[in-house]
Amino acid sequence: DTGVSQDPRHKITKRGQNVTFRCDPISEHNRLYWYRQTLGQGPEFLTYFQNEAQLEKSRLLSDRFSAERPKGSFSTLEIQRTEQGDSAMYLCASSSKGLAGTTSTDTQYFGPGTRLTVL
Amino acid sequence: AQKVTQAQTEISVVEKEDVTLDCVYETRDTTYYLFWYKQPPSGELVFLIRRNSFDEQNEISGRYSWNFQKSTSSFNFTITASQVVDSAVYFCALRIYNQGGKLIFGQGTELSVKP
Repeated sequence: DTGVSQDPRHKITKRGQNVTFRCDPISEHNRLYWYRQTLGQGPEFLTYFQNEAQLEKSRLLSDRFSAERPKGSFSTLEIQRTEQGDSAMYLCASSSKGLAGTTSTDTQYFGPGTRLTVL
Repeated sequence: AQKVTQAQTEISVVEKEDVTLDCVYETRDTTYYLFWYKQPPSGELVFLIRRNSFDEQNEISGRYSWNFQKSTSSFNFTITASQVVDSAVYFCALRIYNQGGKLIFGQGTELSVKP
């Protein structure tokens, strides 16, 4: 399997602009997660999908943030009207949640991240 | 509330020394999973180990070993004979069974191994 990929790896934008990040999970992984990591901190959970359904959203995910996974494969995370406080590394991870009666480790494997800088 | 604490912010050792990274977690749930991830300077989080709450057996993988003690809510990580390539930030994380998939991370311990 190829690993989780994210695009772009770096994004510099001006305050007030909209940005969109993409994540391609490991093929056949049905769960996909987004985290945000600021300097010197551990990653913080934002949201996750099982297939195309968004099952949980963190309070960190303000109404300026929206995530989609339209066909249950890749996902996008959009931030509207960016603020300087949005500057962070945005990490995507995927895992395989087994169906009933099947085994699953549900261990999350992370992509390289997208580093966002808002000027 | 669930929480993970990694009290050591930075550790510096000389190559070939043994080093232990501490992790203490808090949860009232009885079924949960604990993880360690490594984040090298490149930034990508690399999975190292997963342990479920019913399995307190210690595990060894090469120079790495993990000590899980439910009595003290700790899941410590030891690197034996450290190498320069071990330099990275290490994160301990907790996931509660049946509470979705989110990982709760500690703040990380930055390990610097000097030649």
